[in-house]
Amino acid sequence: KQEVTQIPAALSVPEGENLVLNCSFTDSAIYNLQWFRQDPGKGLTSLLLIQSSQREQTSGRLNASLDKSSGRSTLYIAASQPGDSATYLCAVDTAQGGSEKLVFGKGTKLTVNP
Amino acid sequence: GAGVSQSPSNKVTEKGKDVELRCDPISGHTALYWYRQRLGQGLEFLIYFQGNSAPDKSGLPSDRFSAERTGESVSTLTIQRTQQEDSAVYLCASSFSGGAGQFFGPGTRLTVL
Repeated sequence: KQEVTQIPAALSVPEGENLVLNCSFTDSAIYNLQWFRQDPGKGLTSLLLIQSSQREQTSGRLNASLDKSSGRSTLYIAASQPGDSATYLCAVDTAQGGSEKLVFGKGTKLTVNP
Repeated sequence: GAGVSQSPSNKVTEKGKDVELRCDPISGHTALYWYRQRLGQGLEFLIYFQGNSAPDKSGLPSDRFSAERTGESVSTLTIQRTQQEDSAVYLCASSFSGGAGQFFGPGTRLTVL
């Protein structure tokens, strides 16, 4: 059974810092890995999608890497801003039994202080 | 609109009543998913549709939960005889099939009194 773990559970940093969020998964048989942000009381916003054949994806100040063989992904946020404060979720598309469901980690709650 | 939409945004119901939650996926997306997020917990998968068929219903928590999709478009999640533990945010997502990324709607917050 696929399990996804995110570390740390919460992180508080001053504005301008570069930071790394970690995600690990137990089964390397995945289609892809997706990073989302969730603001309080809101739905999920997709940030980056990394296909299983890719090593990394970049969008603006965000960079996500994927090491499928070791079951790890990192989300790097450069020059953090207060608007980056949110919960960041990592999810893997399990590629099992004809289903394409996502298995989510519990998230990292990020607070960027002005 | 271009995104996934869900209705209602909020639903308050009494224990024992039936509720229907609606999802309108992004036009052209063949795959549709329902997830649930209970307070303080992670997202749980409920059901996956490919077209109008549901090849994976493994996340439905009990036979009180059912879902259908018609016209390879709109989906309805029905919860019969609601219980307090059904209180959660129900999220719908859609995607192209074959490992494409999923796009989420804003969710329906269900409160069972």
